[in-house]
Amino acid sequence: NAGVTQTPKFQVLKTGQSMTLQCAQDMNHEYMSWYRQDPGMGLRLIHYSVGAGITDQGEVPNGYNVSRSTTEDFPLRLLSAAPSQTSVYFCASSWGGGNRISGANVLTFGAGSRLTVL
Amino acid sequence: DQQVKQNSPSLSVQEGRISILNCDYTNSMFDYFLWYKKYPAEGPTFLISISSIKDKNEDGRFTVFLNKSAKHLSLHIVPSQPGDSAVYFCAAITRHQGAQKLVFGQGTRLTINP
Repeated sequence: NAGVTQTPKFQVLKTGQSMTLQCAQDMNHEYMSWYRQDPGMGLRLIHYSVGAGITDQGEVPNGYNVSRSTTEDFPLRLLSAAPSQTSVYFCASSWGGGNRISGANVLTFGAGSRLTVL
Repeated sequence: DQQVKQNSPSLSVQEGRISILNCDYTNSMFDYFLWYKKYPAEGPTFLISISSIKDKNEDGRFTVFLNKSAKHLSLHIVPSQPGDSAVYFCAAITRHQGAQKLVFGQGTRLTINP
């Protein structure tokens, strides 16, 4: 199994450009999410989805859009890139995430996408 | 507002000794806590978790302790091995409108010296 696959691994953008970070999982996970990792800040949740057609905002959603048209894919769109969006982005998924699921929501992470905005 | 805090950015331990990584939290509604380990250029991987109704969970060389009154979590690794050198993230589960979300600490870089 491939697990969680992110593309591209590296990207350099100019301020104002738009782009999409792709995320796909082959584990039939209901829950998918996007995090960004910045020095001294840990991992911060951008957006998440508890199933196809359902998305919601995390801690730092501004400047990002998501959609979930299939169970497998959860792309993250940067509408107009800014230098403050320079970061490493991680997509993660799990088998559950709604309140009907008990227990810990153990996430499987992708390898990350390093984005630099000049 | 940082709900989960790891106040030590780095920790250096000699091989074979015990490594203790600490984590503090502010939200008493967290019901699960997890530790993730991250190597460079890879995504974080799940290490161990603990429910808020327990005070200890052990898995091989890894033990997590939870002190709810102090809102404090710790991860003990014994004995420490060179392959344990990585960044460790503490995380807590919160629920928002029916969905679980993980809140992460800033991470602690652990270096195991031979």
